[in-house]
Amino acid sequence: DGGITQSPKYLFRKEGQNVTLSCEQNLNHDAMYWYRQDPGQGLRLIYYSQIVNDFQKGDIAEGYSVSREKKESFPLTVTSAQKNPTAFYLCASSMGWDEKLFFGSGTQLSVL
Amino acid sequence: QKEVEQNSGPLSVPEGAIASLNCTYSDRGSQSFFWYRQYSGKSPELIMFIYSNGDKEDGRFTAQLNKASQYVSLLIRDSQPSDSATYLCAPGAGNNRKLIWGLGTSLAVNP
Repeated sequence: DGGITQSPKYLFRKEGQNVTLSCEQNLNHDAMYWYRQDPGQGLRLIYYSQIVNDFQKGDIAEGYSVSREKKESFPLTVTSAQKNPTAFYLCASSMGWDEKLFFGSGTQLSVL
Repeated sequence: QKEVEQNSGPLSVPEGAIASLNCTYSDRGSQSFFWYRQYSGKSPELIMFIYSNGDKEDGRFTAQLNKASQYVSLLIRDSQPSDSATYLCAPGAGNNRKLIWGLGTSLAVNP
């Protein structure tokens, strides 16, 4: 079955630690996105990538980093510089530069 | 003014009724409009999209768009308890084609 796989489902970060969230898709989609969702707030764009080896900052990129070495994969690293990382992180993809997004199941990140 | 405004709800309707969800947006350059449904603790899923003024129907769902009034709505006919979720309105942001997300309207369909 085609889809987007995010892992892990739950992740705990210790202070000062970097953690990496995985996102893999087998939909052959060109564009991939990372969003953060906090209670009572809308989805906020962290990073997006339209093609392999290229990505752009979204609205809240500080404290995060990404890579796009393969079409299928778009991992997100939450660095120690992100002081308030607790949130629900959503990876999405779309065909070309189309707003019809397909989402993964999400990763809930919490701070220990 | 917020870029996308939705009534947060909760909107409560009895089973079998019509649920009407509304959304206003500020970017007159928006050309595409999307409705996503999100169950609690789950990720959003696309249920409707509309590009032209007027109505677009898909099963029990109807999207309505009025660009002059900067207003888009979603009607759910014959509402079912399984429709209970948060509905997110997301206009496309003009030329850069990034979505702008509303905070969502919580819908509760009561048996």
